[in-house]
Amino acid sequence: EAGVAQSPRYKIIEKRQSVAFWCNPISGHATLYWYQQILGQGPKLLIQFQNNGVVDDSQLPKDRFSAERLKGVDSTLKIQPAKLEDSAVYLCASSLVGDYNQPQHFGDGTRLSIL
Amino acid sequence: AQKITQTQPGMFVQEKEAVTLDCTYDTSDQSYGLFWYKQPSSGEMIFLIYQGSYDEQNATEGRYSLNFQKARKSANLVISASQLGDSAMYFCAMREGADYKLSFGAGTTVTVRA
Repeated sequence: EAGVAQSPRYKIIEKRQSVAFWCNPISGHATLYWYQQILGQGPKLLIQFQNNGVVDDSQLPKDRFSAERLKGVDSTLKIQPAKLEDSAVYLCASSLVGDYNQPQHFGDGTRLSIL
Repeated sequence: AQKITQTQPGMFVQEKEAVTLDCTYDTSDQSYGLFWYKQPSSGEMIFLIYQGSYDEQNATEGRYSLNFQKARKSANLVISASQLGDSAMYFCAMREGADYKLSFGAGTTVTVRA
């Protein structure tokens, strides 16, 4: 089965510019997650969707970050305007619901550098 | 408070030897799950092994085993017969209660020497 697809793989922008990341989860996975991973740290959850509804966005900086999953399949995460501290790897993951032991499957991530 | 603590920032291990990576967790939920992931330098997160809070046996998956000590709230990963390809960052993560989201530790870097 195809894994979680993310694009772009790398992105370099200047501060105050905007950027968008795309994620396509594993087919049939109802739950989709966006994580931010700053260098040297573990991933931190930004937002969790189940189908096209938001389950948890408590750690999403809503003044600059937004995310959507319009048809309950692929998702877009946007940053506008970007700050230097947004330099990180943005990981998308997906999982099945129902089985508590189901792992989250991750994409390769988008490495964002802010100049 | 940190939900997941990994106290070893980096470890070196000789090829073919075993290595133990420490993980302690903090939760008041009776139902929780513990996961270990591997992150090579290429960046992808690879699921290794899972232990549920109600599982009586320690989980094993090939060369990976989990030393689960519930009373101590620890879930250490053991990698046996280390290979050069095991060099990576390893993360312990927890899912609590009815939540599906994961809380991650800071990770441990493992370097396998030939």
